[in-house]
Amino acid sequence: QQPVQSPQAVILREGEDAVINCSSSKALYSVHWYRQKHGEAPVFLMILLKGGEQKGHEKISASFNEKKQQSSLYLTASQLSYSGTYFCGTEPAVEVTFGIGTKLQVIP
Amino acid sequence: EAQVTQNPRYLITVTGKKLTVTCSQNMNHEYMSWYRQDPGLGLRQIYYSMNVEVTDKGDVPEGYKVSRKEKRNFPLILESPSPNQTSLYFCASRWTVNTEAFFGQGTRLTVV
Repeated sequence: QQPVQSPQAVILREGEDAVINCSSSKALYSVHWYRQKHGEAPVFLMILLKGGEQKGHEKISASFNEKKQQSSLYLTASQLSYSGTYFCGTEPAVEVTFGIGTKLQVIP
Repeated sequence: EAQVTQNPRYLITVTGKKLTVTCSQNMNHEYMSWYRQDPGLGLRQIYYSMNVEVTDKGDVPEGYKVSRKEKRNFPLILESPSPNQTSLYFCASRWTVNTEAFFGQGTRLTVV
């Protein structure tokens, strides 16, 4: 079953912040985050393992609450290059199941 | 360079004509998967493989076959393609569970 992402779409002005949420109905071992630019393959951002560790990647960070089976991706001081579709992927077992995605557009 | 290579990148075919989309990785990864991407539905897993000769169904396996005879290759076979299989397909590989996935460039398939 696919994890649920929210919001489905968001428009930001450069420099603004955004949060993308991901929740699953299953217990999780890990949560992945990927970004896909139009016409390209998804690219890995980060993975969070059980333990609630928060990870960071430049101005993009994420948290994972395995008790609530939820993860959030935080984009701070957004740049034009952050535009794309963000997918969370959850691992309840050995496979990775992706959400529908959140389309993020950063405008000048 | 570490990569996942899919071929072809674009394919237009007719209903019922068998086709194979190839996927090869050069990272010695154990795990490989196939996904299809459709507007509004995200990435849905078709099949995955945890090792040579070990494959399992994902969420949308109907109409597809896979094989894993060698560690590096994981072809996707459509025995009798239908228009509802028109989609963007991605192959992905990763070392093991809880590790990042590397995606191929994608194959845009149109079945008429």
